[in-house]
Amino acid sequence: EAQVTQNPRYLITVTGKKLTVTCSQNMNHEYMSWYRQDPGLGLRQIYYSMNVEVTDKGDVPEGYKVSRKEKRNFPLILESPSPNQTSLYFCASSFSGRAWVEETQYFGPGTRLLVL
Amino acid sequence: KQEVTQIPAALSVPEGENLVLNCSFTDSAIYNLQWFRQDPGKGLTSLLLIQSSQREQTSGRLNASLDKSSGRSTLYIAASQPGDSATYLCAVSDAGNMLTFGGGTRLMVKP
Repeated sequence: EAQVTQNPRYLITVTGKKLTVTCSQNMNHEYMSWYRQDPGLGLRQIYYSMNVEVTDKGDVPEGYKVSRKEKRNFPLILESPSPNQTSLYFCASSFSGRAWVEETQYFGPGTRLLVL
Repeated sequence: KQEVTQIPAALSVPEGENLVLNCSFTDSAIYNLQWFRQDPGKGLTSLLLIQSSQREQTSGRLNASLDKSSGRSTLYIAASQPGDSATYLCAVSDAGNMLTFGGGTRLMVKP
C-alpha cells in the first residue's frame, strides 16, 4: 500500500530536549516536505526536499532541521524544542514536487507534539 | 506573500443538500490549486487538483472550479452525505514549489 508514515504519532516532551520525528514514504517519490498545523494559522511549510541531499526552507523553518540522506526518509529534527513548537506536524511527498506537474501530494497521518 | 482564505470556517447542513465551499487567494500567479479533505486523527487526502490553465475538475459528486484572474475557487458537493463530514482545505502552489493553505472549512452533514 502506497503510504507516508510518521513516528511517533504523539509526543510529549520538555523544553530543550532534542527530538526527531521520522517520515518515510514507499512510493519512490523525489519530493518530500514538512508542515505544521496550528489553529487559526492553517498548514505552513517548514522545510522541503526536491531530492536526496537537496533541502530548502519553507515558510517557518526557524527552530527546525531536516536531512535527506535517503530518498525514502525525511526526518524532522528539533534540536532544542520550545513551547511555541507545540503543534500538529505533517509529512508529505509527491513524485516530483514541480508545481507545473499535475500530481498528488500524499500526506502522513500527523504527529501531535506537546512541548512543556 | 500569498494568502489563502476559506469561507465559511464552519458549515452544518442536513443530508442531501448541495453545498459550496469557497476559497480565495491574493496572488493570481499560481500553477495549480488543490482541494484536500482532512479527517480527525488522519492526514490530508487530495480530492481535486486544478491546473492554472483549467477552469474546473470533477470527481464523482465533487466539482471544483477555478477563476484565476479573480483569485477564487469553489468546491461544490452534490447530494451531501454524513460521510462527507470533515475539514476541507484548499491550497495553491506557486513557482517556489510551496503549497500555501487556507484555514479550512469544517463541514458537518447531519443525517
